[in-house]
Amino acid sequence: DAGITQSPRHKVTETGTPVTLRCHQTENHRYMYWYRQDPGHGLRLIHYSYGVKDTDKGEVSDGYSVSRSKTEDFLLTLESATSSQTSVYFCAISESSGTDTQYFGPGTRLTVL
Amino acid sequence: EDQVTQSPEALRLQEGESSSLNCSYTVSGLRGLFWYRQDPGKGPEFLFTLYSAGEEKEKERLKATLTKKESFLHITAPKPEDSATYLCAVQANTGNQFYFGTGTSLTVIP
Repeated sequence: DAGITQSPRHKVTETGTPVTLRCHQTENHRYMYWYRQDPGHGLRLIHYSYGVKDTDKGEVSDGYSVSRSKTEDFLLTLESATSSQTSVYFCAISESSGTDTQYFGPGTRLTVL
Repeated sequence: EDQVTQSPEALRLQEGESSSLNCSYTVSGLRGLFWYRQDPGKGPEFLFTLYSAGEEKEKERLKATLTKKESFLHITAPKPEDSATYLCAVQANTGNQFYFGTGTSLTVIP
């Protein structure tokens, strides 16, 4: 298994509070991604990073920000959580962007009340 | 618009009953097509990458094939441990993004 951990694994929070999810990798891969998975939608890309301090938006980036200060860590922040952000969040890594496979972490289940 | 459609949404098979899952895609230049397996409460696990029409990959009871418009995941003589959701994703030549289908939930009954 690719060395990817996510924390926390489960979180319940209230509308309007800030939330930060962490992804940590031990593979020294250049690319890191954040996805959300919702019933009927499949996995959708939120943001991705192609290097330290280099990030770009994905398909569903509104309401989310990211930061990557070290190769191994990629943080996803919900500045003010809303109920529509209740979802399962997955981090993925790939060695390069070409046709390299993305390997996924175990996920974080976030519930916003 | 790049998109991926998987069918059927759900499939129930008897142990040993072979079948196929379909992934139809529309993409502006295919860079790669990816199959993943996802067990409940876990992240997707990589199975195969296919790059060009006519390509085939095999792993145990699974075989993936690719045409210019779709991919099939053939399951031969499935076992209960093959029960999972199977996800298909495509990557276009134009960018880094993967586009995922909504998956096929496979249940294999002993």
